[in-house]
Amino acid sequence: DAGVTQSPTHLIKTRGQQVTLRCSPKSGHDTVSWYQQALGQGPQFIFQYYEEEERQRGNFPDRFSGHQFPNYSSELNVNALLLGDSALYLCASSPGQILAKNIQYFGAGTRLSVL
Amino acid sequence: GQQVMQIPQYQHVQEGEDFTTYCNSSTTLSNIQWYKQRPGGHPVFLIQLVKSGEVKKQKRLTFQFGEAKKNSSLHITATQTTDVGTYFCAGPGAGSYQLTFGKGTKLSVIP
Repeated sequence: DAGVTQSPTHLIKTRGQQVTLRCSPKSGHDTVSWYQQALGQGPQFIFQYYEEEERQRGNFPDRFSGHQFPNYSSELNVNALLLGDSALYLCASSPGQILAKNIQYFGAGTRLSVL
Repeated sequence: GQQVMQIPQYQHVQEGEDFTTYCNSSTTLSNIQWYKQRPGGHPVFLIQLVKSGEVKKQKRLTFQFGEAKKNSSLHITATQTTDVGTYFCAGPGAGSYQLTFGKGTKLSVIP
């Protein structure tokens, strides 16, 4: 049973560029959430996708956008990269129909470095 | 917005000593979750507490949820080197799918 998979594992970009990160949820899960984790900090919620729609969004600018596909996989896009966007980007899936069951199963993450 | 605070930020213990981390939310939580992140790894779900005053045990780990559902604790008895990592608590706001994580407590165990 495959867990949450993310690609790529590492990425180096320069300021102003755009990046796309990908995520496949755990088998049987239909909800995908994205988090940003800066060094020494806890994961910060970016947004959550369910039924191909953004269901909830955290306090991140519009430069951060996403998409969910019919097979439940998801992409995170970040435009106009800033140095401060350097972080570990974590994707998490959950069987999200029930609010109380919003347990997050995390992937290994994508380490993004912006130079 | 909702804030989740954890103390201490760091804890160094001798192997065999006990360890406790505390979590406090600015708002009442419908449930609280605990995660462990090993160095260089990703957060892994440990447990979810739902009821006021709930206590759950996993081997040497004891988790508590406060009566007011705004605070929680994780206690590890007789730490081992395998316990090394950062422990995060996380909770959703009322009616929210957004999980707010604390900054975590980083545990180091000295053999």
